[in-house]
Parts: sequence; structure tokens; C-alpha cells
Amino acid sequence: QVQLQESGPGLVKPSETLSLTCTVSGDSINNYYWSWIRQPPGKGLEWIGYIYSTGNTNYNPSLKSRVTISIDTSKNQFSLELNSVTTADTAVYYCARGYDILTPWGQGTLVTVSS
Amino acid sequence: DIVMTQSPVSLPVTPGEPASISCRSSQSLLHSNGYNYLDWYLQKPGQSPQLLIYLGSSRASGAPDRFSGGGSGSDFTLKISRVEAEDVGVYYCMQALETPYTFGQGTKLEIK
Repeated sequence: QVQLQESGPGLVKPSETLSLTCTVSGDSINNYYWSWIRQPPGKGLEWIGYIYSTGNTNYNPSLKSRVTISIDTSKNQFSLELNSVTTADTAVYYCARGYDILTPWGQGTLVTVSS
Repeated sequence: DIVMTQSPVSLPVTPGEPASISCRSSQSLLHSNGYNYLDWYLQKPGQSPQLLIYLGSSRASGAPDRFSGGGSGSDFTLKISRVEAEDVGVYYCMQALETPYTFGQGTKLEIK
């Protein structure tokens, strides 16, 4: 069955760019939507945005000026970039398949923003 | 943004007993196609969220049949017919009618 795995640095300095990749295995990334969601420690879930395999995107307006989601179908991967990070961006970042029905999810990766 | 409000925040339940979680939205989630764009997710301790219910009342593949979703418009309920120990965790509702998609604050189910 399809599996997703997030990867990237676990520590990012304030004002720098957070970059994460989600690798999809067990199925093609083509013809699906793919999403990013985050969860600050001890808090609830926040939708970041999604991308379709053709590259069309939709972002949360609260992050829109800082976020870019891209896709590399040749590698069966999609990515998240969040620039000008602050401590408020410290969270577990999840990738998931779908946009309105999210399944499955990756295991998540903790990104800490700290100097 | 559509605001999602869940109740209760904490739900202690005796195994074998039923349980119910409420989710209310600040505007109707009923699309003109007749579907309610409301999903339920369970985040078990130390795990990522997993889909339980989609479009208000459709059970996800692999979700036990003791879970059921109901409601329409802006008032929804997740019911567990008989709680089992493996059901502990935080339950979230999410509206997918319009972006930005938004989640409820979560309901933590614990075993008495």
C-alpha cells in the first residue's frame, strides 16, 4: 500500500528557510493531490496547503506569503518550503495523500526553530 | 475561515460503553452536490492522524464498524458503539468544504 515519509532538517534557525521532502512509495504520485499539515507541540492540526501532480497549488492564506509546495514526479516526491521562519513555526510536519480526504499520512517530522 | 468547535474536550469512557463526540462548524458544510464535507481523524498516542470517517458519514477503509459518523449542515457527531482500549487518542473533525481547511481543537478519549 502507499506509504509516505517526511525528511529534512530537524533544526532551523530563525529567519531561515524550512525545507522538507515527502517521499511516496507503493504508488505513483501522478493523478493525486498531496498535502502538508503541521502540529505545534501539544497543540492541534493546521492545514498548510496542497499540490496536484500537475503542479497546481492551494495554500493557507495565513502562510501564503511564505510557503511554496512543489512536486517532482520523476522522483515520486513533493516538497515544502517555508521561509522567514520564527519559533511559532516549530511543529511536527506531516505529509498526506489527498486534499479533502487525507489518507494516508506520513509519520511526521519535528522541526524546531531555534538559534 | 470556517471555525470548527468540538465537545467535549476530554472524554473518559468505560470499555464496552458507547461514546459520542460533537463537532459544530461556523457555517454549513453541506455542498450543493448533497455531500457534507466533514471528516473525522483519530490520532493515537505517538502516531500520526488516521482517517476514520469522510464526507460526514462514510467509514474509511480499515476503520472498525463500531465507528459511525452522522449529522448534516453545521452539526455533526462521531459515535463509537462500544469503546475498546485501542480507541484512546485525540479525535479531530476537519472541514473540507472550502480552503483554508480547518480542524476542530480535538477531543481526547481516555479509558476509565
